[in-house]
Amino acid sequence: GQQVMQIPQYQHVQEGEDFTTYCNSSTTLSNIQWYKQRPGGHPVFLIQLVKSGEVKKQKRLTFQFGEAKKNSSLHITATQTTDVGTYFCAGNQAGTALIFGKGTTLSVSS
Amino acid sequence: NAGVTQTPKFQVLKTGQSMTLQCAQDMNHEYMSWYRQDPGMGLRLIHYSVGAGITDQGEVPNGYNVSRSTTEDFPLRLLSAAPSQTSVYFCASSYSLGQGQETQYFGPGTRLLVL
Repeated sequence: GQQVMQIPQYQHVQEGEDFTTYCNSSTTLSNIQWYKQRPGGHPVFLIQLVKSGEVKKQKRLTFQFGEAKKNSSLHITATQTTDVGTYFCAGNQAGTALIFGKGTTLSVSS
Repeated sequence: NAGVTQTPKFQVLKTGQSMTLQCAQDMNHEYMSWYRQDPGMGLRLIHYSVGAGITDQGEVPNGYNVSRSTTEDFPLRLLSAAPSQTSVYFCASSYSLGQGQETQYFGPGTRLLVL
């Protein structure tokens, strides 16, 4: 079955450093989504990528979807303490259930 | 709109007890799903539904039952709770599973402890 793998599992950075998490699928995806979960909270949708090679930005966050639509990345520039949380990627093939990666937990020290 | 609501927020069960976790959404979403979240395991799909009367199994369906009699409600039933079912359970919904409408809206979660 479809698998979505995410690395690293944990990442600690100093405030102001950059951060990247990577997502890889065993199958070609119709789209990929990214979610953020704050400690004690529920996952919240950040963005969806649909096109091969697509790049989207949200302020300090940059999201990429690979040319083969099997991998994606989330890059945060100059992390802040408000970026703390777990970042999940999730993907599916059209009409199939959404499968989540195991997430990358980011901690930031000031 | 209330979005996705879940009840209860917390629950303690004894091994062998049964219970139903409630999930409701008021966004007229066709797709609803249940996930469990355990440390280091991410969000694992238990069951999902693409519309009223239609359900299917996810990655970890054993020990859980679901039904979807209305568009709004998608309850999750534990028939005989086991300590391995101690987890945080999230319900989520979206418009569909295709056409770029897969954005998942999550409920606040139910924290379940089975003794």
